[in-house]
Amino acid sequence: EAGVTQFPSHSVIEKGQTVTLRCDPISGHDNLYWYRRVMGKEIKFLLHFVKESKQDESGMPNNRFLAERTGGTYSTLKVQPAELEDSGVYFCASSQVEVGTYNEQFFGPGTRLTVL
Amino acid sequence: DQQVKQNSPSLSVQEGRISILNCDYTNSMFDYFLWYKKYPAEGPTFLISISSIKDKNEDGRFTVFLNKSAKHLSLHIVPSQPGDSAVYFCAGTTDSWGKLQFGAGTQVVVTP
Repeated sequence: EAGVTQFPSHSVIEKGQTVTLRCDPISGHDNLYWYRRVMGKEIKFLLHFVKESKQDESGMPNNRFLAERTGGTYSTLKVQPAELEDSGVYFCASSQVEVGTYNEQFFGPGTRLTVL
Repeated sequence: DQQVKQNSPSLSVQEGRISILNCDYTNSMFDYFLWYKKYPAEGPTFLISISSIKDKNEDGRFTVFLNKSAKHLSLHIVPSQPGDSAVYFCAGTTDSWGKLQFGAGTQVVVTP
């Protein structure tokens, strides 16, 4: 079974440009999450989809970030326009939904974004 | 507002000995606590979890202890192996499928 995949693995852009990150979750996983790790600090939650709906977007830093999940399958995270502080590693994770037990989140390898 | 704290950024331990990683939290609403392990250039991988109603969970060489009154949990790795060298993240969540709140991680180095 394929794991969570993310594209691209690295992206280097100039301040003010636009970047779109893509995440393909594990097939059949309804939950999809985006996280970000900046400068070796803690991994911070950005948002959570259940199928195509945004369940929780409390971690989105500002309106320069736009996440979508078309048809409840893959997801994209667009940053427009990018700022220097957006640099970091963006992780995507997915999980099934099972009541009464912890639903392990499976993480992708991340996209390293560098804004110059 | 960082709700999960790992105050030791690094830990060095000899192969075969015990590794003890510590984590403190402030949110008493956390239902589950998790430990994730991360190698360079890879995503975090789930290691072990514990429900807030338990005080211990064991899985092979890994044991997690939860002290709710102190809002503290720890991960014990016995015996430590070279392949355990990685960054370990502690995390809490208020429901079984919600967002994870992570600490900053502890870099573990297991020396021969």
